[in-house]
This record gives sequence, structure tokens and C-alpha cells, in this order.
Amino acid sequence: AQKVTQAQTEISVVEKEDVTLDCVYETRDTTYYLFWYKQPPSGELVFLIRRNSFDEQNEISGRYSWNFQKSTSSFNFTITASQVVDSAVYFCALTPRPNTDKLIFGTGTRLQVFP
Amino acid sequence: ETGVTQTPRHLVMGMTNKKSLKCEQHLGHNAMYWYKQSAKKPLELMFVYSLEERVENNSVPSRFSPECPNSSHLFLHLHTLQPEDSALYLCASSQDLGDRVTDTQYFGPGTRLTVL
Repeated sequence: AQKVTQAQTEISVVEKEDVTLDCVYETRDTTYYLFWYKQPPSGELVFLIRRNSFDEQNEISGRYSWNFQKSTSSFNFTITASQVVDSAVYFCALTPRPNTDKLIFGTGTRLQVFP
Repeated sequence: ETGVTQTPRHLVMGMTNKKSLKCEQHLGHNAMYWYKQSAKKPLELMFVYSLEERVENNSVPSRFSPECPNSSHLFLHLHTLQPEDSALYLCASSQDLGDRVTDTQYFGPGTRLTVL
């Protein structure tokens, strides 16, 4: 079975704090892709990152970083020095293998950053 | 306009009404999708179109009827909906489907639908 679990329903932090959003996935496929999307109050899902299962290198993009660990089936997302504009719902998603476009989403983590 | 647009952004309809949701992508993509996002549930894939052909229908009730007249436009026709159909309906597009590297899906802002 394929499944994405985001155990943190809601996280609240104060501006400038670092925050990590957890994502644990399940799949029997050896080839798969993992994604993070951000959904601000406006509603649209904003693509943040895509990672394939053969690339375990961690990635950093500005204040965002991602830690992919196949050994624990996790793909965690860290925001450094959080800002109020980071307030949104963040979704982790899985595509089990290439040539299928089924995005399996977690239930999302609502992040609130207070000034 | 850029990216994926959806109209209307908000829609309130009665159970006997007929309405349509529209999605347009300006990315030159060949695949388009409809998702339903209900409160406290994961996003649910409803339909997938590739080059105007429907390739996936995830057991969606017939009161939802998709239409893809060309690769840039996707509609979702609604009739005799139920209150439990109230949700955010999201459209997405990707470059292609098929035996290649999975393409990233880009989403529109959604239509917030309320069925009374």
C-alpha cells in the first residue's frame, strides 16, 4: 500500500524560530517521487520540491531545507528563521513510480507563524 | 495570465442547480487533473486527462461530469449535487503523462463550492 503520513496536524511558532515538518511515507516500489507543496490561505497548492528515490542528497533552497532518509522512509521539511508569510498548510505527497501521475497526499500540517 | 487559473473562485449552489467549473492552464502542458479537497481529508484525485482524453476516473459519482475540449481547458460540470460535495475543487496540469520521469503537477487556486 502507498501512504503518506503527516502526524503533525498543526504547529505554531514565533517568527524567527526554526520549524521542522515531518513526513513519513509507505511504498513497496523501489522507484518513487516525493513532493512538498505549500497551500497558503488563497487556496492554490504551490510546488516546493520534487525528489526521486535514488537521490538521498539533502537539499537547501534559501530558508527551506529537506532531509530525505530512505532508511526511515522520511522526507522532512525544515524552515529556518520562519516568517509570518510561511503560515500555510504544507502537504507532503508521493508518486509511487514513474508513468503514473497519482499523487498521494498526506493530510497536511498547518503552520502558523506569529509575529 | 500565467500558470493555472480557475473560475469561479467561489460558488454557492442549490442541489437542483447545474453549474460548471472552469480551469485554464497557460503552461503548454498536455495533462490536466481535477482534485477534491474536503475538510480534514487528503486530496482526492477525481479525473485525469491527457491530450484531451480521459485516462482516469476514480469512481466519481456521475453528478460530476468532466470535459476537456483542448489541452488548455478543463471543465467540471455539476448537477444535482449533495451537501457533502461541498469542498475546494482544485485543477492541476503537468507536462505529460506516460513512460517518462514523473512530471510535477502545478495547481490552480481552486473553486470553493458550497452546496445548500
